[in-house]
Amino acid sequence: GIQVEQSPPDLILQEGANSTLRCNFSDSVNNLQWFHQNPWGQLINLFYIPSGTKQNGRLSATTVATERYSLLYISSSQTTDSGVYFCAVVGYSTLTFGKGTMLLVSP
Amino acid sequence: DAGVTQSPTHLIKTRGQQVTLRCSPKSGHDTVSWYQQALGQGPQFIFQYYEEEERQRGNFPDRFSGHQFPNYSSELNVNALLLGDSALYLCASSSLGLAGGGAYNEQFFGPGTRLTVL
Repeated sequence: GIQVEQSPPDLILQEGANSTLRCNFSDSVNNLQWFHQNPWGQLINLFYIPSGTKQNGRLSATTVATERYSLLYISSSQTTDSGVYFCAVVGYSTLTFGKGTMLLVSP
Repeated sequence: DAGVTQSPTHLIKTRGQQVTLRCSPKSGHDTVSWYQQALGQGPQFIFQYYEEEERQRGNFPDRFSGHQFPNYSSELNVNALLLGDSALYLCASSSLGLAGGGAYNEQFFGPGTRLTVL
């Protein structure tokens, strides 16, 4: 099956800093989603981005499907951005998740 | 517009018992997928239901079974519980669509059920 690798595994930032999270995948995909998991376990949809670039406020994402990677950019980070960020891909019909990036934003 | 709902939120069981978890999909969605998330890991796919049938299955034993009802809601059943079944169980819904191409459509997750097996 498809392998999904996320980096870095952990990230500590000061409030206001920018960051880039990376997701590499081992095969061509039909769907890619980025999620933010809050401390209570809820997975919040950030982007549905099988290819191209999207922006939503301070967050943006780019997927280069031909090179099998996606990037999530967080600008002017806030303490509420803390949590785990997951990349998940669909090769055939089900989502395969990476292990996530744990982000801690300190005031 | 109600999102994906799951019940119960928390559950404590003992080894050998059986458990049933429930999920109602987002309005307009017809496909339900179940995932298991162990502590510190990403969610792992268990199975997917569409038109009341299991459409895809991940690498989970037969102790894990499911059902989808005509109103698209779904249940996950786990028999003969093991300590290793302790996890967060997540339900996701999506719209498969008549052509089946909706397998690639965006999935939305419920808040999860946290199962503890003692």
